[in-house]
Amino acid sequence: DAGITQSPRYKITETGRQVTLMCHQTWSHSYMFWYRQDLGHGLRLIYYSAAADITDKGEVPDGYVVSRSKTENFPLTLESATRSQTSVYFCASIRDTEAFFGQGTRLTVV
Amino acid sequence: DAKTTQPPSMDCAEGRAANLPCNHSTISGNEYVYWYRQIHSQGPQYIIHGLKNNETNEMASLIITEDRKSSTLILPHATLRDTAVYYCIVRGWNTNAGKSTFGDGTTLTVKP
Repeated sequence: DAGITQSPRYKITETGRQVTLMCHQTWSHSYMFWYRQDLGHGLRLIYYSAAADITDKGEVPDGYVVSRSKTENFPLTLESATRSQTSVYFCASIRDTEAFFGQGTRLTVV
Repeated sequence: DAKTTQPPSMDCAEGRAANLPCNHSTISGNEYVYWYRQIHSQGPQYIIHGLKNNETNEMASLIITEDRKSSTLILPHATLRDTAVYYCIVRGWNTNAGKSTFGDGTTLTVKP
């Protein structure tokens, strides 16, 4: 099915571990984004990508790394997870007018 | 991107119009106003967008003031399923879309 999918949907990890959240879209949209949403708050932009091999920082990039070797994939890596990175992570892609969001990944760092 | 200001919460009676305001006094000439909503913990859903003219689609209407410093999203006949957090953001078209940021939005509660 066409769309944008995130995996895993839920993840529990320990402090200091490396964690990678996956995002895959089937439309070949150029722009892709990663947001985090803390409980009771809006979305904050972590990183975005304008095309394959082009990425840039958003509001809250510290502690995160992204890559975009293929247009359809935009993985987000937490190099050394901290408790403050416990959040719901949303991936999105944009085509002209609309942003399409994935279902989110709920990450808990213990 | 310009910042937006929205009231944290609003109530609306079922069947009545819901009018959600947004201030974006620092909007620049090439930035659009977009509205999204988020139901429970799902990913945000696009509703409508506009540049300077009022817009209407099957979901809602968007009224933008002449000076473009504020806008109002109108849900003409609110239903219980419209209970959600509504986000107003401003951003450039496509090539400037990379810095889309969301504030805390307005939590709309539609009551029977």
